[in-house]
Amino acid sequence: EAQLVQSGAEVKKPGDSLKISCQASGYSFSTYWIGWVRQMPGKGLEWMGIIYPGDSDSRYNPSFQGQVTFSVDKSINTAYLQWSGLRASDTGMYYCARPKDVGQYGAFDIWGQGTMVIVSS
Amino acid sequence: EVVLTQSPGTLSLSPGERATFSCRASQNISSAYLAWFQHKTGQAPSLLIFGVSNRASGVADRFSGSGYGTDFSVTINRLEPEDFAVYYCHQFGISPPSFGQGTKVEFK
Repeated sequence: EAQLVQSGAEVKKPGDSLKISCQASGYSFSTYWIGWVRQMPGKGLEWMGIIYPGDSDSRYNPSFQGQVTFSVDKSINTAYLQWSGLRASDTGMYYCARPKDVGQYGAFDIWGQGTMVIVSS
Repeated sequence: EVVLTQSPGTLSLSPGERATFSCRASQNISSAYLAWFQHKTGQAPSLLIFGVSNRASGVADRFSGSGYGTDFSVTINRLEPEDFAVYYCHQFGISPPSFGQGTKVEFK
């Protein structure tokens, strides 16, 4: 059974760096894109971008370009989302998700449980 | 960026009633790249419908999707208690992919 398991909740201060993880199991990790989706408190879903584990090709939503970085470690089937300087506005729930079909950027049918990130001084 | 506008923002209904909500895109979307998600509080979103009208694995047949071009909708026949949630439309045919702002189906 395909599954994505994310790292636990984080509480950070503005300016801190952070890297959260998303570990895949039950399918060929290198074959499917992995997307990241943000939900700010009380708000809707936002497509942040997507990374292809096979070659680390990444596509960023312009709204997030330069604010976050995607990476993967194929040896442990894990994708990462990182920030180098958090802001209070980065507070939210972050989901990793896998598209239903190989080669697609959406129609995510496998989701991680979410990682809550709180940025507060 | 394609803007997806969902309506209504909130639907107040009772179990057994029919729910219909819509999604209008600011540009034509290929049907293959239009999906819907169900999101319950405290859970990850789940894929409901893909390719406008195809139910995802395990989705009950009381859910149906339709639409073409810029106008899409979902109908839930005979609402069950577990159907009360937020529903998002999603397009991924034009970069960057985007979500609608959501329609909340709540208990009346």
